[in-house]
Amino acid sequence: KAGVTQTPRYLIKTRGQQVTLSCSPISGHRSVSWYQQTPGQGLQFLFEYFSETQRNKGNFPGRFSGRQFSNSRSEMNVSTLELGDSALYLCASSSGGNTDTQYFGPGTRLTVL
Amino acid sequence: AQSVAQPEDQVNVAEGNPLTVKCTYSVSGNPYLFWYVQYPNRGLQFLLKYITGDNLVKGSYGFEAEFNKSQTSFHLKKPSALVSDSALYFCAVRDMNNNAGNMLTFGGGTRLMVKP
Repeated sequence: KAGVTQTPRYLIKTRGQQVTLSCSPISGHRSVSWYQQTPGQGLQFLFEYFSETQRNKGNFPGRFSGRQFSNSRSEMNVSTLELGDSALYLCASSSGGNTDTQYFGPGTRLTVL
Repeated sequence: AQSVAQPEDQVNVAEGNPLTVKCTYSVSGNPYLFWYVQYPNRGLQFLLKYITGDNLVKGSYGFEAEFNKSQTSFHLKKPSALVSDSALYFCAVRDMNNNAGNMLTFGGGTRLMVKP
């Protein structure tokens, strides 16, 4: 099976812009989770989507949003970008059960100038 | 609330020697525990997990981890380290009694350096 894919791999934006990141899960997986990784804060959970519904949300401002499509692909959007949003954004997919393993994509490296 | 602590920012070990990367956790219920590894410019790669059953869990690339409920620990081990094991290691926990879906809480990571 193909792994989790994320596009684009690298992105450079300026403050105030918005950005959309895409994640395609492993075939058959219905759960997609997003995480932000920064040197200062480490790995932090953003949100999880399961069957097109947001199942859980981390402690991030409303500028961070997401959605999931009927084919389980997911997008996350960050509006009004700030310098502190520069990070590696990781997507993970699983079957959705609470004992399931999450498999991570390679990430999208976002740089905000 | 759930949390994970990895007390060592870096672990140095000589190739061929055993290695241990430490992890302690805190959850209100029973834990599901995971170890992931991250190589430079890559995502996280799954190594192993503890759900229930035997306290010693075997995973990929010769790694294993021991679940200790009384010490709330889940240390990662390998009998003989390889230079190629050098990477960033993350411990993560999910509270099985928490309706938080698949949310994982990660430790801060431990950089493993294996020297020839």
